Amino acid sequence: KQEVTQIPAALSVPEGENLVLNCSFTDSAIYNLQWFRQDPGKGLTSLLLIQSSQREQTSGRLNASLDKSSGRSTLYIAASQPGDSATYLCAALGGKLIFGQGTELSVKP
Amino acid sequence: EAQVTQNPRYLITVTGKKLTVTCSQNMNHEYMSWYRQDPGLGLRQIYYSMNVEVTDKGDVPEGYKVSRKEKRNFPLILESPSPNQTSLYFCASSFNTNNYGYTFGSGTRLTVV
Repeated sequence: KQEVTQIPAALSVPEGENLVLNCSFTDSAIYNLQWFRQDPGKGLTSLLLIQSSQREQTSGRLNASLDKSSGRSTLYIAASQPGDSATYLCAALGGKLIFGQGTELSVKP
Repeated sequence: EAQVTQNPRYLITVTGKKLTVTCSQNMNHEYMSWYRQDPGLGLRQIYYSMNVEVTDKGDVPEGYKVSRKEKRNFPLILESPSPNQTSLYFCASSFNTNNYGYTFGSGTRLTVV
């Protein structure tokens, strides 16, 4: 049974820092991995989708990597801003979407 | 604009009063799914549909029903809501189950008193 874990559960950083959010999954037989952003009480916004054949994807200040063999994905946020404050969720897709519990990020001005 | 639309956004109801949460997508996606999100439990799948007239149970289907009579619509039905169904609900869609990303609706916050 696929399990997805995100570390840390919460993170607080000063504005301008580069940061890494971690996601690990137990079953490497995934088709893709998707990173989402969720603002409090709001919906999920897709940030990046990494296909199983890819190693990374980039969008603006965001870069996501995928290492299937080790069961890990990371989301790198460059030059963080207060507007980046949100909960970040990773989800592994291998037949169905399995979510991690999320990392709550706070970027202080 | 490509999107998944859920209605209503907020709903307060009483125990036992049947309700329906609607979900519609305009992307011609074959796959649709419902999730509930609860503190400490994360997002859990309730039901999913691979295509029209094809639905199946997810991880927490008890107390819920769904239908998929048209490709674009996938309503969630609570025949007799109970307080333990108080939650934040999300509808999602994708072209298929594995090769494409998922698009989520904005969520429906349901309170059952």
